[in-house]
Amino acid sequence: NAGVTQTPKFRILKIGQSMTLQCTQDMNHNYMYWYRQDPGMGLKLIYYSVGAGITDKGEVPNGYNVSRSTTEDFPLRLELAAPSQTSVYFCASSYANPRGSDQPQHFGDGTRLSIL
Amino acid sequence: SQKIEQNSEALNIQEGKTATLTCNYTNYSPAYLQWYRQDPGRGPVFLLLIRENEKEKRKERLKVTFDTTLKQSLFHITASQPADSATYLCALGPRGGTDKLIFGTGTRLQVFP
Repeated sequence: NAGVTQTPKFRILKIGQSMTLQCTQDMNHNYMYWYRQDPGMGLKLIYYSVGAGITDKGEVPNGYNVSRSTTEDFPLRLELAAPSQTSVYFCASSYANPRGSDQPQHFGDGTRLSIL
Repeated sequence: SQKIEQNSEALNIQEGKTATLTCNYTNYSPAYLQWYRQDPGRGPVFLLLIRENEKEKRKERLKVTFDTTLKQSLFHITASQPADSATYLCALGPRGGTDKLIFGTGTRLQVFP
């Protein structure tokens, strides 16, 4: 069972370049999330989605864009890479419990991105 | 704004002892709280959930408590093993229909043989 798969695992970008971080899950989860994790900081929510075609901003969305055309995929786009976007990026998914929230989130192993 | 605090310094304990990790929060009233484990170079892995109306939850060697008056959760690992060495994250769960968790910075646990 693959769970949440993120690609690539590592990437170095130059300032101003763009790239897409890929995330796919095979658990048929409706909810998906993108986080960034910086040293000594907690996971910060960038964007999230409650289903195909529905996305919304999290705590730190500036400089990023997302789309959700299918249940399985939730790519994160960096349009003009900046050094401040050097971080580890995690994608996660969770089941949408009709009785309310509280479901565990399942994480991928992250993409380590350096902007030089 | 809401704030969540975990011990920023590493916790070093001897194998066989009980490890206790603390999660404190302010300016927030979570409906539930989750604990995750994160190994170096890996994503967090869910361990336990405790809801606001629950005082204590257990799972094998793990125990979590939740005191909404003190605004604190304690996470215990009994009979700790070197394999328990990792970073442990607590996350506050919101009220209402989203699962937008607020994560703490985590506490690194090192268990020595």
